[in-house]
Amino acid sequence: EAQVTQNPRYLITVTGKKLTVTCSQNMNHEYMSWYRQDPGLGLRQIYYSMNVEVTDKGDVPEGYKVSRKEKRNFPLILESPSPNQTSLYFCASSRTVHSYEQYFGPGTRLTVT
Amino acid sequence: GENVEQHPSTLSVQEGDSAVIKCTYSDSASNYFPWYKQELGKRPQLIIDIRSNVGEKKDQRIAVTLNKTAKHFSLHITETQPEDSAVYFCAASLPLTGNQFYFGTGTSLTVIP
Repeated sequence: EAQVTQNPRYLITVTGKKLTVTCSQNMNHEYMSWYRQDPGLGLRQIYYSMNVEVTDKGDVPEGYKVSRKEKRNFPLILESPSPNQTSLYFCASSRTVHSYEQYFGPGTRLTVT
Repeated sequence: GENVEQHPSTLSVQEGDSAVIKCTYSDSASNYFPWYKQELGKRPQLIIDIRSNVGEKKDQRIAVTLNKTAKHFSLHITETQPEDSAVYFCAASLPLTGNQFYFGTGTSLTVIP
């Protein structure tokens, strides 16, 4: 089954404790992206990747890191989480940077206390 | 960067009536405009999209129109059904170094049986 998976689905952590949210797709997609969703703000793009080893900042990259060492995986790293990073996070992928239709993962709800 | 504004934020219609959601964007370089539907607790899913070289696109009860001169695009849902109740997001894609996506803040549509 073609899908985008994220882990964990729910996470409660404390300020400053490094964490990684994993994202994996089994569709051989080139383009992958991370978004955060906050009430009243819609979805905002954090980082995106056009292919292996090619990443770029989205609209709200501060406080986040990403890496793309393999085509299928695109982890999101919060090296020192803060309460303002409490949010619902979605990973998404599309076949190429030009094919546009994005498939979203199930979401990760992160709470930083 | 791009700025996408979406109106209204909430919309209630009677079953069978039409619903229209409008979005404006600021950057004339944006060239792809998808619409996503997000049911409560679920991931966003693409329902229709339009590229900048097309003025209108229709898929059964759903249609999207694009006015590049005025920089606005709209989602039209006809013969609404209770299962159309969800939050709808518009987005614009800006092909700079890669593809940056900018989302509207969402419209919560309620279809009253």
